[in-house]
Amino acid sequence: QKEVEQDPGPLSVPEGAIVSLNCTYSNSAFQYFMWYRQYSRKGPELLMYTYSSGNKEDGRFTAQVDKSSKYISLFIRDSQPSDSATYLCAMSGWSSNTGKLIFGQGTTLQVKP
Amino acid sequence: DGGITQSPKYLFRKEGQNVTLSCEQNLNHDAMYWYRQDPGQGLRLIYYSQIVNDFQKGDIAEGYSVSREKKESFPLTVTSAQKNPTAFYLCASSEDRVGEQYFGPGTRLTVT
Repeated sequence: QKEVEQDPGPLSVPEGAIVSLNCTYSNSAFQYFMWYRQYSRKGPELLMYTYSSGNKEDGRFTAQVDKSSKYISLFIRDSQPSDSATYLCAMSGWSSNTGKLIFGQGTTLQVKP
Repeated sequence: DGGITQSPKYLFRKEGQNVTLSCEQNLNHDAMYWYRQDPGQGLRLIYYSQIVNDFQKGDIAEGYSVSREKKESFPLTVTSAQKNPTAFYLCASSEDRVGEQYFGPGTRLTVT
């Protein structure tokens, strides 16, 4: 079993829809949670960074962490065609294997005009 | 502008040749990382360095080597011992070893 599980999709939604992207994990030592957006043939771009449990909002993006369920989510409101990309979750913790980031496989999102 | 630069963007080599990929950052970050990305496999850690003159193997270090002589630079050499070198290579840096990482634009290496 992988430490971080993420449905690769692809996920296709109409413009304006609310998108929900999710990851589950198995290591309870994870404390730092990140979401990255990666356009084709580009480097990943950090979207959201959350420490421990709770919600964080930035514009149209909301990140949620539920440590009791070992489940993190990224919500995108009013999705736009420019949101079409691969979304990677990542996490780390001080006691987890020298603190290196563990990435999910990535979910490919397509927002249709 | 602060950031991470990788060069070149595209690189082509013949099988059996060593090749060095460049990574430079001006974020004053202590930690730097090299990842490999293949279709359907996500990011896999090759090497990382938490401080100058020190580095550790990641999950797939075989066939690769690195150096960290300066804080801002972390070059990766893909040697002829790497069996499947064709991939997208990403360099990243972070302020400390568990915080968020920032990525460069990547180098696409093709070996024929």
